Amino acid sequence: DSGVTQTPKHLITATGQRVTLRCSPRSGDLSVYWYQQSLDQGLQFLIQYYNGEERAKGNILERFSAQQFPDLHSELNLSSLELGDSALYFCASSPSGGRAYADTQYFGPGTRLTVL
Amino acid sequence: GESVGLHLPTLSVQEGDNSIINCAYSNSASDYFIWYKQESGKGPQFIIDIRSNMDKRQGQRVTVLLNKTVKHLSLQIAATQPGDSAVYFCAEKVGTGRRALTFGSGTRLQVQP
Repeated sequence: DSGVTQTPKHLITATGQRVTLRCSPRSGDLSVYWYQQSLDQGLQFLIQYYNGEERAKGNILERFSAQQFPDLHSELNLSSLELGDSALYFCASSPSGGRAYADTQYFGPGTRLTVL
Repeated sequence: GESVGLHLPTLSVQEGDNSIINCAYSNSASDYFIWYKQESGKGPQFIIDIRSNMDKRQGQRVTVLLNKTVKHLSLQIAATQPGDSAVYFCAEKVGTGRRALTFGSGTRLQVQP
């Protein structure tokens, strides 16, 4: 158990809908990262928040957004869902901002999103 | 259920044998590398890391080798056990630059009892 929690574990929804995925980082970690894992793209970095502020952006679609709250949990919002958004979404956390070598990212169990 | 793609290279080994999983990385500026293990239905689990100023690092039953000349990374698992069956990913980042990890495509390790 990495100490990172994600809810829900599974989510099934229809095209055009909007969903929210939630992540609680390890105790004491300030950074949260979101990754998408699909069958054809592997693990892709989406976005990072550090202590409530956006720090880095990867291949995140405009239909997707995220935020980190004062208690450091994070939510990933996916809207206007398409079939191709079906994937596993992982959250990871690290103690600091991610630049340091030793700032290891620890992953949660993921949320499996299925868009029908 | 399956957590990763179906078209991964697969390494099949006998229980007790040593396993070697290889990874080629692309960014010559990457100077920090990590191996993750992902079991079915779970998130990636940190195994071992190495900085580019090293060419070898050992952990418990695992050794990572780094060859910067050919941009190649390998993970050696000694005395492979059935519990080692999983998908293994290498990840790279520029240690003092980008914050995000760039993951390789993964290798599935199957341990035969």
